[in-house]
Amino acid sequence: SQTIHQWPATLVQPVGSPLSLECTVEGTSNPNLYWYRQAAGRGLQLLFYSVGIGQISSEVPQNLSASRPQDRQFILSSKKLLLSDSGFYLCAWSAAGTGRIFGNTIYFGEGSWLTVV
Amino acid sequence: GENVEQHPSTLSVQEGDSAVIKCTYSDSASNYFPWYKQELGKRPQLIIDIRSNVGEKKDQRIAVTLNKTAKHFSLHITETQPEDSAVYFCAANTGGFKTIFGAGTRLFVKA
Repeated sequence: SQTIHQWPATLVQPVGSPLSLECTVEGTSNPNLYWYRQAAGRGLQLLFYSVGIGQISSEVPQNLSASRPQDRQFILSSKKLLLSDSGFYLCAWSAAGTGRIFGNTIYFGEGSWLTVV
Repeated sequence: GENVEQHPSTLSVQEGDSAVIKCTYSDSASNYFPWYKQELGKRPQLIIDIRSNVGEKKDQRIAVTLNKTAKHFSLHITETQPEDSAVYFCAANTGGFKTIFGAGTRLFVKA
């Protein structure tokens, strides 16, 4: 079966510091990978998605970036954090879309709580 | 692009009553509609989904209905229990890479 791992689970970072969140998926090949952010008490904002190694699509302009160095690894980074970057970050995956008629289910990792101080 | 609107934003019911959450979508090409439950501090988890080739799907106390003509879909929870208290998200997907989520409904079930 497929599993998704995301770390770290929580972190407190000062303004202006760098960020690296990592996510890996097991049990599937060539998954679609996603990074979502959820501000406190708010909805799910899609930040980035990737359909393959090195292929990153950005949904919201910001000081964050994403990379996919391996098929099942997805990394969210920032060079300098802002207070507004605080939130609950969720990595997610779905099965590759090639040949499908209907949309794919998205499965979320356990999330990373980021507090920028 | 697709837009999903979800109502109400907050819903409070007595234990044992039914709860209904409604969503509308804008893209007629959307064909897959999942529902997620998010408990406090945890990740959203899929609870039920429906494809556009069916109008209704039921799993024990939860059911989802879909009206493609009106571009509406709804989540129905019967015999609510305190453990049903959570935030519920509807979503829509056209078969592509992106799933668009509603803003969420915070459900409170009062014992």
